[in-house]
Amino acid sequence: DGGITQSPKYLFRKEGQNVTLSCEQNLNHDAMYWYRQDPGQGLRLIYYSQIVNDFQKGDIAEGYSVSREKKESFPLTVTSAQKNPTAFYLCASSPDPGIEAFFGQGTRLTVV
Amino acid sequence: GIQVEQSPPDLILQEGANSTLRCNFSDSVNNLQWFHQNPWGQLINLFYIPSGTKQNGRLSATTVATERYSLLYISSSQTTDSGVYFCAVGETSGSRLTFGEGTQLTVNP
Repeated sequence: DGGITQSPKYLFRKEGQNVTLSCEQNLNHDAMYWYRQDPGQGLRLIYYSQIVNDFQKGDIAEGYSVSREKKESFPLTVTSAQKNPTAFYLCASSPDPGIEAFFGQGTRLTVV
Repeated sequence: GIQVEQSPPDLILQEGANSTLRCNFSDSVNNLQWFHQNPWGQLINLFYIPSGTKQNGRLSATTVATERYSLLYISSSQTTDSGVYFCAVGETSGSRLTFGEGTQLTVNP
């Protein structure tokens, strides 16, 4: 089936550890996005990529890093520099910016 | 960057009632989407509607791009319609999708 797969669904980490969230799509989309959602709030853009080997910071990029070595993959690393990493993380993709975007099921990260 | 405002922030209905959710945005857009976030957090695509009107069953949406707003209509609401409804827009000059804060809809039986 075509779609966007995020893994894992739930992730627990100790404070001070880096953690990488996976996002894979088999829709042949060029653009991919990472969003963060805190309880009761909307989604905020962390990073986005319009094409392989290229990505741009969103509104809240501090403490995060990404790579886009393959068209189908856009992993997000939450580093120890991120002060409040506990949140719900959503990955999305679209054929092109300005075209309908689709989301994965999300990863709930809890840092203790 | 572009500003997106959704209203009302909260809405409580009895099953069978109709409702209208509004999304205002501050600049020209080339993308406007409505999503429903289910209790498990998944964002379900409802409409891709940068302009015009679309209908899908009990739901319909209208975007008036020149006046910078979009409306989502839900008719004969059901308890399964409960959840958060988000509007997201893409600026004509950019390549990112910006979300509003959402409308929390509760439909009581």
